[in-house]
Amino acid sequence: AQSVTQLDSQVPVFEEAPVELRCNYSSSVSVYLFWYVQYPNQGLQLLLKYLSGSTLVESINGFEAEFNKSQTSFHLRKPSVHISDTAEYFCAVSDVLWNDYKLSFGAGTTVTVRA
Amino acid sequence: DTGVSQNPRHKITKRGQNVTFRCDPISEHNRLYWYRQTLGQGPEFLTYFQNEAQLEKSRLLSDRFSAERPKGSFSTLEIQRTEQGDSAMYLCASSLAGQLSYEQYFGPGTRLTVT
Repeated sequence: AQSVTQLDSQVPVFEEAPVELRCNYSSSVSVYLFWYVQYPNQGLQLLLKYLSGSTLVESINGFEAEFNKSQTSFHLRKPSVHISDTAEYFCAVSDVLWNDYKLSFGAGTTVTVRA
Repeated sequence: DTGVSQNPRHKITKRGQNVTFRCDPISEHNRLYWYRQTLGQGPEFLTYFQNEAQLEKSRLLSDRFSAERPKGSFSTLEIQRTEQGDSAMYLCASSLAGQLSYEQYFGPGTRLTVT
């Protein structure tokens, strides 16, 4: 069974400042890794994913995450945030082995961007 | 809009009553997942279907919970004899089968309040 720990429950940040959201996971097998975002009053949306290959993955809106197998981490970063990045961010893992692709989520990190 | 839809969006019920939620997945998606999200937590996996077959149920899914997907299209989740601990957001997600199953599309959720 997998588990996901998001180390920060709330991250306040000023507009145009960088942000990093930390995610660590534990699993006895290989995993796929995901970041989902939930904007206020909206459903969960896939932000980016790591399946295989390059350990650095990027989203279309400037976020990036790096898979670090030795540290079992998948931290999310953005060099310069906008007000519109205010949302809740969830890290999730899925077991590669069983092909069920069910997701195990962390508790979420609320990012509040201030002007 | 061809995204995942869920009805109702909100449900308030008294303890002991039965409730049923519906999920309509993206039309060509054969996998359908149910998750539950309580306040301050990430979503937790409940069950999933491939076409009409229910392939896995979480231990979270007590015998008061039943899910169906009779024709491999929409799905229903029924909770019998609701308890206050059932209050949560119930999320539905769908995906293609096979190697694209990792990309789950979430609906807006049904928020259940048991009084």
